[in-house]
Amino acid sequence: KQEVTQIPAALSVPEGENLVLNCSFTDSAIYNLQWFRQDPGKGLTSLLLIQSSQREQTSGRLNASLDKSSGRSTLYIAASQPGDSATYLCAVYPNNAGNMLTFGGGTRLMVKP
Amino acid sequence: DTAVSQTPKYLVTQMGNDKSIKCEQNLGHDTMYWYKQDSKKFLKIMFSYNNKELIINETVPNRFSPKSPDKAHLNLHINSLELGDSAVYFCASNLGQSEAFFGQGTRLTVV
Repeated sequence: KQEVTQIPAALSVPEGENLVLNCSFTDSAIYNLQWFRQDPGKGLTSLLLIQSSQREQTSGRLNASLDKSSGRSTLYIAASQPGDSATYLCAVYPNNAGNMLTFGGGTRLMVKP
Repeated sequence: DTAVSQTPKYLVTQMGNDKSIKCEQNLGHDTMYWYKQDSKKFLKIMFSYNNKELIINETVPNRFSPKSPDKAHLNLHINSLELGDSAVYFCASNLGQSEAFFGQGTRLTVV
């Protein structure tokens, strides 16, 4: 059974810092991996999708990497801003199980002005 | 234009009642899902529905049943509501294993 873990569970940084959020998964037989952002009381916003054949994806100040063999993905946020404060979730698509995403517990990020 | 929309956004109801949550997507996706986010904010898959194939997470009580009138809609019916059903329920959709899009969630409170 696939398990997804995100460390740290919470992170507080001053504005302007570059930071890395970690995601690990127990079964490396994944199809894709997706990073989401969730603001309090809101839905999930897709940030990046990394396909299994890719090693990284970039969107603006965000860069996500994927190492399937080691069961890890990282989300790098450059020059963090207070508006980046949110919970960041990673989720993996297994090769089977009907495309159902398995989520990590999330990292709650606070960027202080 | 909202890609994945859910109604209602908030639902407060008494124990034992039956309720439904509706979901619609206008993205032309072929797979829709229901997820439950508990009080600890952990998201767990409940159902996946693709071309009339339903895949159920075995931990979901049979009081929960998804109903899909067409590819763009996947509604969630809940019978005999219990206090422990209180949570935020999210609908999502995608095409194959492409990027998944989520609705804004329905906060269900059972009193």
